[in-house]
Amino acid sequence: DVKVTQSSRYLVKRTGEKVFLECVQDMDHENMFWYRQDPGLGLRLIYFSYDVKMKEKGDIPEGYSVSREKKERFSLILESASTNQTSMYLCASRNSGSNTEAFFGQGTRLTVV
Amino acid sequence: GDSVTQMEGPVTLSEEAFLTINCTYTATGYPSLFWYVQYPGEGLQLLLKATKADDKGSNKGFEATYRKETTSFHLEKGSVQVSDSAVYFCALGAYNQGGKLIFGQGTELSVKP
Repeated sequence: DVKVTQSSRYLVKRTGEKVFLECVQDMDHENMFWYRQDPGLGLRLIYFSYDVKMKEKGDIPEGYSVSREKKERFSLILESASTNQTSMYLCASRNSGSNTEAFFGQGTRLTVV
Repeated sequence: GDSVTQMEGPVTLSEEAFLTINCTYTATGYPSLFWYVQYPGEGLQLLLKATKADDKGSNKGFEATYRKETTSFHLEKGSVQVSDSAVYFCALGAYNQGGKLIFGQGTELSVKP
C-alpha cells in the first residue's frame, strides 16, 4: 500500500520555538508539497519541491522554510512558531504529469500556545 | 492563471437524497480534473478523476463528467449515505503547473439520517 507518512498527528508547541514537521513517501515521487488547511480557507500551498534540494514558494511561504535532502523526505520548518500558525498541516507527494494523482499524509494538527 | 471554483458549503442533505457539488475551472490547455474527499480527522484521498474532455470518472457511487464546453466537473451521487459526510475538493492538474495540483476551496457535506 502506497504511503505518505507524517511524523506526528498532534503537536503542541510554544510561541518562539523552532518546529520541524517531517514527511516521508515510499513511492519515489519527484514532487512533494506542504499545505495548511484552515476552516473556510481550504488548502493553501506553503512550499513544494520538484526534486532533491529544489524548492519553490507556494502561496503562503512567510514564516516557513523547507528542506529536501533525500527524495523520500520533505521537512517543513517553522523558524519561530507563532499562534497564527496553529493549523492542520498536510503533506502530499505526486509524480509529474498532469493526470497523476497526489497522495496525502494523515495530517499534523499543530497548536502553538 | 489556472483556478478552480467550488460551490460554497456547508451542504446538508438527508440520507438517500441526490447530491450535486458544482465545480468550474479556468485553465489553459487541457488539464486533468480530480475530486478528493477528506473524512473527519484524515488526510485527502482521491475519489475520482478524468483526464480528457467527455471522460466520466466514477467511484463509490459518485460520478463526475469532464465538460470542456462549460469548463465544469460537477460531482454527483444519486443517493447519499451518512458515511458520505466529509469535505470534498475539486482539483486540476496541468502541464504548465509543473507538479502542482490547483485545489478548490472545498465543500463540506453533512448527511443526516
